[in-house]
Amino acid sequence: QSVLTQPPSASGTPGQRVTISCSGSSSNIGNNFVYWYQQLPGTAPKLLIYRNRQRPSGVPDRFSGSQSGTSASLAISGLRSEDEADYYCAAWDDRLSGGVFGGGTKVTVL
Amino acid sequence: EVQLVESGGGLVQPGGSLRLSCTASGFSFSDYSMIWVRQAPGKGLEWVSYISGSSDTIYYADSVKGRFTISRDNAENSLFLHMNSLRAEDTAVYYCARAADKWELPYLDYWGQGTLVTVSS
Repeated sequence: QSVLTQPPSASGTPGQRVTISCSGSSSNIGNNFVYWYQQLPGTAPKLLIYRNRQRPSGVPDRFSGSQSGTSASLAISGLRSEDEADYYCAAWDDRLSGGVFGGGTKVTVL
Repeated sequence: EVQLVESGGGLVQPGGSLRLSCTASGFSFSDYSMIWVRQAPGKGLEWVSYISGSSDTIYYADSVKGRFTISRDNAENSLFLHMNSLRAEDTAVYYCARAADKWELPYLDYWGQGTLVTVSS
């Protein structure tokens, strides 16, 4: 059971907007930044969003992050076939004094 | 170019030991906290352990506390994970990753390719 809760799956057709939620608590998302990682099949995770909404260089602006209270979300607009991957949210947890991940959301492009 | 290369994975019997290594290049290794993250087959990511640049701060997930030891050799640009009393549930791909900011440890900007550890008789 992950400390951060994500839906196991999400899907959309090419060009659509898909949103993935990440629910936590006051000890993690409610008091710390949220990060998002993309894991393409058979590869290592890659940083997608940091500090709730910042994109590293090279990440398309189709990807956007937001945070409110104890929840966060990742939006993918203009969905493309290459966006088919697993997406994980992460945050620091003050109570555990460690990092925590969500269970991951598999995005399928129909 | 920043590179992280893990090694040392393999097949080990339950109760056995293994040492994973992560060799870093392309950045000032001692300036960065490093993290081990693992992923069981078909499962999600799990934060395992981290170590600060000077090794003065170390953290372990409850699932590995008392069995795993993280260490680093800044002179050799290397990170290690000593794993003892291995269990079947430790079977996973183990990734080393760099924390981009020592005050934001979940901010992992570079990852290695991972090394597979299989615990089975």
